[in-house]
Amino acid sequence: AQKITQTQPGMFVQEKEAVTLDCTYDTSDPSYGLFWYKQPSSGEMIFLIYQGSYDQQNATEGRYSLNFQKARKSANLVISASQLGDSAMYFCAMRERVGTASKLTFGTGTRLQVTL
Amino acid sequence: GAGVSQSPSNKVTEKGKDVELRCDPISGHTALYWYRQRLGQGLEFLIYFQGNSAPDKSGLPSDRFSAERTGESVSTLTIQRTQQEDSAVYLCASSSQRDTQYFGPGTRLTVL
Repeated sequence: AQKITQTQPGMFVQEKEAVTLDCTYDTSDPSYGLFWYKQPSSGEMIFLIYQGSYDQQNATEGRYSLNFQKARKSANLVISASQLGDSAMYFCAMRERVGTASKLTFGTGTRLQVTL
Repeated sequence: GAGVSQSPSNKVTEKGKDVELRCDPISGHTALYWYRQRLGQGLEFLIYFQGNSAPDKSGLPSDRFSAERTGESVSTLTIQRTQQEDSAVYLCASSSQRDTQYFGPGTRLTVL
């Protein structure tokens, strides 16, 4: 079974509009973390935002916010006031404890295209 | 430098040759990870190092793949007898224990 599901292979948004990228997850570990990474065409993975499973409030980092709905096991990324430079692949990832290790499992990604 | 560095940035090799990919983690980060990303796909976990503990090799796809790490510094991922299906971007990440993983720029491997 997939642990991280991103159902939107591609999304378009107009500049200055907000966009939501979906992510659902599956885990039996009560302690986990959820991450979003941006991967522009240059290929590097850029950390955007983190949400811990015990965090009471939704995480925010500038124009990025994470809509964390624990009961629904969803962790959607909201980008406000989109900019052309936001065009990239976006990956949702979950960190689980495996013994003493801490592994990240990635979704298949969503390609976001910001248009004028 | 302040971030994770990887070398080479690009590597083209012939089928059957061995390759070594290098990763320099962020100073002070105890954990180091290797991932593989095939074209148009997400990241596959390969191997994880945490301090002096035995590495977690559960993601290595075959015995042609191996990795070493010297203490809490440089790591080398070795692929022996490369195959065309090994062509991918190999990404390294480091973190403080259980903290956010920060990625290097990757090594693009092409096996002809």
